[in-house]
Amino acid sequence: SQQGEEDPQALSIQEGENATMNCSYKTSINNLQWYRQNSGRGLVHLILIRSNEREKHSGRLRVTLDTSKKSSSLLITASRAADTASYFCATDASDYKLSFGAGTTVTVRA
Amino acid sequence: SQTIHQWPATLVQPVGSPLSLECTVEGTSNPNLYWYRQAAGRGLQLLFYSVGIGQISSEVPQNLSASRPQDRQFILSSKKLLLSDSGFYLCAWTRGNTEAFFGQGTRLTVV
Repeated sequence: SQQGEEDPQALSIQEGENATMNCSYKTSINNLQWYRQNSGRGLVHLILIRSNEREKHSGRLRVTLDTSKKSSSLLITASRAADTASYFCATDASDYKLSFGAGTTVTVRA
Repeated sequence: SQTIHQWPATLVQPVGSPLSLECTVEGTSNPNLYWYRQAAGRGLQLLFYSVGIGQISSEVPQNLSASRPQDRQFILSSKKLLLSDSGFYLCAWTRGNTEAFFGQGTRLTVV
């Protein structure tokens, strides 16, 4: 079974709007990561947040982590057409097992 | 710089035929290596991961096996493919608990 589950499954927004997606996980983690996948391609790493961090920024991306609720959120501000992709959260544990959620498909309309 | 090579990009195989997908990493040593499968429009299912030569952890007992004959080489195999083995296979590597780098994937269609 997958460790992380993203919500919503799909999101459609207008260019310039913000996109928010959430990830919930089940067990203790070392860190949580977010990845992007364009159709038919490999995944690209976006941002990593460690278990002792609560918030992290990278450009237009903002990630929060709440270990008490076992959840994380990814916010993409001022979305662009190029942000159209699937986004996945991933968690790893002390044994280096890296597990991914089911993903959120984001469509940015021009 | 580190790179990861995964081939072939596309593969069409008949049911019952064998499979061998290869993944190699360059520019690093002692990577953790991973094989994932992704069904159309779905998430990534972890199949196998390895933290060292000859060390393979299997997540989903299936019609597949993995081997790591060299430090930077990870092979996914099957003796007899099933229709249900169709999917997008992705190889990835990490160094410890850090970001993962993915290959471009292999689209496998079993017919």
